[in-house]
Amino acid sequence: KQEVTQIPAALSVPEGENLVLNCSFTDSAIYNLQWFRQDPGKGLTSLLLIQSSQREQTSGRLNASLDKSSGRSTLYIAASQPGDSATYLCAVGFQKLVFGTGTRLLVSP
Amino acid sequence: NAGVTQTPKFRILKIGQSMTLQCTQDMNHNYMYWYRQDPGMGLKLIYYSVGAGITDKGEVPNGYNVSRSTTEDFPLRLELAAPSQTSVYFCASRLIGTSGQETQYFGPGTRLLVL
Repeated sequence: KQEVTQIPAALSVPEGENLVLNCSFTDSAIYNLQWFRQDPGKGLTSLLLIQSSQREQTSGRLNASLDKSSGRSTLYIAASQPGDSATYLCAVGFQKLVFGTGTRLLVSP
Repeated sequence: NAGVTQTPKFRILKIGQSMTLQCTQDMNHNYMYWYRQDPGMGLKLIYYSVGAGITDKGEVPNGYNVSRSTTEDFPLRLELAAPSQTSVYFCASRLIGTSGQETQYFGPGTRLLVL
């Protein structure tokens, strides 16, 4: 059974810092890995998708990497801004996605 | 496109009551999902559908039922509501292309309180 873990559970940083969020999964036979953002009281928004054959994806200040052999993915956020404050979740799978519990990020001005 | 819409936004049920959570998408996506999210937790899959007429259980299906008579609609039925079903319910639709690329959208959620 696939299990997805995210560390840390919460992170507080001052504006402008670069930061890394971690996602670990137990079964390396994944299809895709996705990173989502969830604002309080809202649904999820897809940020980045890494196919199993890829090593990384970039979108603006966000960069996600994937290392299937070690069962890990990282989401790198450059020059963090208060608007980045949200919960970030990773998910793996094909027809059925398995989600991590998320990292709650607070970027203070 | 309206994306994924869910109704109602909030509902209070008494123990033993039943209700249907509505979900509609207008993007012609083949996959649709129902998740529940408990406070401080990730999303757990309740049921999913790979197309009209086809549904399958997820990780936590007990106490729920679904149907998918059309591509657009994927209602979730709660029979005999229990306090353990207090949660936020999210519907999602997903299009998986032949190249492996995919597009996924989530609804805004339905907050359910069972007392």
